[in-house]
Parts: sequence; structure tokens; C-alpha cells
Amino acid sequence: GDSVTQMEGPVTLSEEAFLTINCTYTATGYPSLFWYVQYPGEGLQLLLKATKADDKGSNKGFEATYRKETTSFHLEKGSVQVSDSAVYFCALSGASNTGKLIFGQGTTLQVKP
Amino acid sequence: GAGVSQTPSNKVTEKGKYVELRCDPISGHTALYWYRQSLGQGPEFLIYFQGTGAADDSGLPNDRFFAVRPEGSVSTLKIQRTERGDSAVYLCASRQRQGNTDTQYFGPGTRLTVL
Repeated sequence: GDSVTQMEGPVTLSEEAFLTINCTYTATGYPSLFWYVQYPGEGLQLLLKATKADDKGSNKGFEATYRKETTSFHLEKGSVQVSDSAVYFCALSGASNTGKLIFGQGTTLQVKP
Repeated sequence: GAGVSQTPSNKVTEKGKYVELRCDPISGHTALYWYRQSLGQGPEFLIYFQGTGAADDSGLPNDRFFAVRPEGSVSTLKIQRTERGDSAVYLCASRQRQGNTDTQYFGPGTRLTVL
């Protein structure tokens, strides 16, 4: 079945460092891909998404490109801030069109001043 | 505007008891999802409603779990004969599909602890 694998955390960076969180997926057909973020004490929020190959999703300085050839959707940010400290989840929505999401296990990011 | 709300925010119960968890979706959203998030894991799909009907309940772990959405708005997740392994955060999401927008909005979750 469909699945998502994320790099394990926690990831600890200094402010203004470059961030990459790896995400790879297994799916039949052409899934949509998402990054969700969970800030401390808050609910899951959609960060960005891409619905077809080579699409780039972007929001709040974060980017991810849908790479079908490598089945990846890595999250990147050029310069992280302390306020980016959160848990990041990669997810896919498969070809069934029900919209149900399959999530990775999450990666905790801690940014230190 | 109001987001997805879930009640209670925390529920502590004893093994073997029955619990109900409530979700109020965003007004007008016809699609509603339940997920379960165990500690240190990503959310796992449980059930999907389109309107009043359960369109996909393939994620329900066993017949102790049941969910309803009788009027196509509020949904209740029901767990019978709770077990310690049911302890998790239960998340509800509603979905907006309009034009190029297709987004699930999550509630804050109900943390269930089974003693």
C-alpha cells in the first residue's frame, strides 16, 4: 500500500541555517504530496503542497518539489528562524480521490538562537 | 472564522469503558475525516465521511470503533470496551474543495488516555 518515509529527528539547527527534511513516498498512480506543520500546543496546519510531478510548493520561505523520478518531496528552507521550531509531517493523498492522507512519522525541528 | 473544533480536549477513562469523541467541522465542509495519532507517530487514517455516509472506513482498527455523522455536520467517534492501546490523540479534519483549493483543516484533537 501507499506509504511515506521521513528522515528521523530531532533536527537541531542554529538560526539562519539551511534546512532540509527528506521525504520519500511509495504510491500507485499520481498522488498529491503535502507538508504539514504542528507548532507546540497547536493543531496540524497545511504548510505547502504539490499535485503533480515537477510542481514546487512554497510557503513562508519553505519549498518542496515533487520529484516523481526519485519519489521524493524534500522540504527546504534557506534560513530558519527560532519560530520555525515545530514537528513537520510529510503526507500523500493517493489516486483514490477520497482525500485521505497518509502521513510520515514526523520530524521534530528545533532552532536555537 | 471558526475552525474545526473537538470536544473534549482531554478524556481519561478506565479500561473497558465506552467513550464518545465529538467533532464540529467548518460550516459547509461536506467531507470529514478522523485520524489517530499515537505518541511520536504521524496521524493514521480511520474513517472518511462524505455528507452523512461513511465513504471509507478502512482505517478503523476493529469493531470496537464506530463513527456517525447523522446530519452531515457534527460527527461522533465511538469506542466501546476501551483498551490501553487506544490511548492516543484523535484528530478530526474537514475538507474544502473549491476551484483549485483542496485542503484539509485539522482540529486540535482529543487526547484519550485509557488507564
